[in-house]
Amino acid sequence: NAGVTQTPKFRILKIGQSMTLQCTQDMNHNYMYWYRQDPGMGLKLIYYSVGAGITDKGEVPNGYNVSRSTTEDFPLRLELAAPSQTSVYFCASSRGTSHTGELFFGEGSRLTVL
Amino acid sequence: GQNIDQPTEMTATEGAIVQINCTYQTSGFNGLFWYQQHAGEAPTFLSYNVLDGLEEKGRFSSFLSRSKGYSYLLLKELQMKDSASYLCAVEDSNYQLIWGAGTKLIIKP
Repeated sequence: NAGVTQTPKFRILKIGQSMTLQCTQDMNHNYMYWYRQDPGMGLKLIYYSVGAGITDKGEVPNGYNVSRSTTEDFPLRLELAAPSQTSVYFCASSRGTSHTGELFFGEGSRLTVL
Repeated sequence: GQNIDQPTEMTATEGAIVQINCTYQTSGFNGLFWYQQHAGEAPTFLSYNVLDGLEEKGRFSSFLSRSKGYSYLLLKELQMKDSASYLCAVEDSNYQLIWGAGTKLIIKP
């Protein structure tokens, strides 16, 4: 079972470069999320989607963009990378919220901006 | 503001019992989740509580008191593989998850 797959696992960017983190899930989940995790801090929601064609901002959306053209895919775009975007990024999906809100996470993408 | 508090780090002995506390202040409440995260890995789901009381799942149990804004995760018969961070998260009235910073649990032989 693949679950949630995100790529790349590691990436080093120069300031000002752009890149896309890919995320795919094969569980037919409607809800998908992008989080960032910094040392000593809780997970911060960047963007989320409740279904294909629908996206919404989370707590820390600045500097990022997303799209959700299919149920399976939810890529995260970083435009004009900044050192503050150095972090570990997790894509996650869930069937719904509350009692169906169990999150399934990808393995994470460790991004360094120099 | 919304806030989740957990101890930063705890140490326990293999075979013992440990209780990890989580207190929360959120805009509404639609449930509380516990996740386990091993170093360098993704979080994995442990439990979900929405009603007061204790939910038991093998060696792990999770307790919730909504009136006190309080939960704990109880780990019994600790094993070395339980060394990990434990994340508490509350779903607020907008169905958004608010995350604690996590508790790093160190198990000693």
